[in-house]
Amino acid sequence: KQEVTQIPAALSVPEGENLVLNCSFTDSAIYNLQWFRQDPGKGLTSLLLIQSSQREQTSGRLNASLDKSSGRSTLYIAASQPGDSATYLCAVRTGANNLFFGTGTRLTVIP
Amino acid sequence: GAVVSQHPSRVICKSGTSVKIECRSLDFQATTMFWYRQFPKQSLMLMATSNEGSKATYEQGVEKDKFLINHASLTLSTLTVTSAHPEDSSFYICSARDSGNGYTFGSGTRLTVV
Repeated sequence: KQEVTQIPAALSVPEGENLVLNCSFTDSAIYNLQWFRQDPGKGLTSLLLIQSSQREQTSGRLNASLDKSSGRSTLYIAASQPGDSATYLCAVRTGANNLFFGTGTRLTVIP
Repeated sequence: GAVVSQHPSRVICKSGTSVKIECRSLDFQATTMFWYRQFPKQSLMLMATSNEGSKATYEQGVEKDKFLINHASLTLSTLTVTSAHPEDSSFYICSARDSGNGYTFGSGTRLTVV
C-alpha cells in the first residue's frame, strides 16, 4: 500500500525566508502528485499538480518538483509571507481513483 | 477552474438524528466523488468513493449503513450520517476529480453531535 510521508511536521520561519517542504512516497508507480493548502477548519485548495511525466510545476512563488524514481517531491515557497501560514498536504494518485495523502506540514510564517 | 461546493459548512445536531451533507460539482460533471473524514491535526482519511448511478464503495472499517451515500446525478453526491453519535463529530470533506486529472475539494463540513 502506498505510504506518503511529509517532513517536517511543523515549520516556523520569519517572513521573507525561502523554504522547502518535503514529501516522500513508497510506491513510485504514480499517476500524479498534487500539493494542497488547508487553512484551519477549511477545505483543501489545490496549489500545484505534477503529472508523473513531469519534473516540476511552478505557480507564482511556488515551485513543486517531482522525482518519481526516488519517491520524492518538494514544494518550494519563495519569499514567504504571513498569509502562507497553513497546513500543506501532498497527495499521490496511484490508480483510477486512489489518492493517498501525507500527514501534512504545518507552516507558520512569522511577521 | 473546477469548483466543488459543499453544504452545510457547519452543523450541530442531537444524538440519534441524521444529518445530510451535499457535495456539488459546479462547472464540471463528476461521475465519481470522494468522501473524506479528518480528525483534528490529522490528515484526510478516505471513507468512500461515490459512483454516479451505482452503489458507493466503502473503505475498510467504514459502516455503510451509518454513512449513506447517494450519487443521483453527475453533479451531486450526498453523505447522510444516520443516527449520529458524538464520536461521529468530525470534519467531512468531499472531492471530485476534475478535467485536469487533479482533485478539487469542497470547503468541508464541521459536524458536531451533542
